[in-house]
Amino acid sequence: DQQVKQNSPSLSVQEGRISILNCDYTNSMFDYFLWYKKYPAEGPTFLISISSIKDKNEDGRFTVFLNKSAKHLSLHIVPSQPGDSAVYFCAASEINAGKSTFGDGTTLTVKP
Amino acid sequence: NAGVMQNPRHLVRRRGQEARLRCSPMKGHSHVYWYRQLPEEGLKFMVYLQKENIIDESGMPKERFSAEFPKEGPSILRIQQVVRGDSAAYFCASSGRDYYEQFFGPGTRLTVL
Repeated sequence: DQQVKQNSPSLSVQEGRISILNCDYTNSMFDYFLWYKKYPAEGPTFLISISSIKDKNEDGRFTVFLNKSAKHLSLHIVPSQPGDSAVYFCAASEINAGKSTFGDGTTLTVKP
Repeated sequence: NAGVMQNPRHLVRRRGQEARLRCSPMKGHSHVYWYRQLPEEGLKFMVYLQKENIIDESGMPKERFSAEFPKEGPSILRIQQVVRGDSAAYFCASSGRDYYEQFFGPGTRLTVL
């Protein structure tokens, strides 16, 4: 049973437009959510996170929205840049658990 | 470089051999996590260790896999008698007391022939 799902394997957007990456989860015990960016042959790099007590967190061009009732979160990138092209992973953690549960990733391609 | 170090970056083994993957956490971090990524999939949690202790090994296969994080030296993920299905990228992450903030190494890509 996959507890964190990213239903879109890939997304293509034009430079300057908004990129919206989605993530759904099933475990109501998750209390912290993170987005990682990953380039080929590298490890994931932390991008932005949100606690379950919030519904929005913003950092520059990146904003994460959390809808707890729908068990859904999304990452908005605006404006999108070609350098944003990478695989984006959604991850979730339970309080005091330590480990993170990852989705399968969405490959974002930003076209110049 | 104060980041998480993993070595080797690439490891080729024949079926039946042993694979040893090493991870040096970021300076000041005492929590280490190992994840495995199969092709076209996300990262799957394997084991969480603190110095000299295994905290959570719920994602570790019951046989052939073991992990340690000694008082001195790097964390080691050991795979005995490797099979082709063990071919994957193995990522190590480390954190301080705030375990939400995990920093990842570049990974070790294991290929079993």
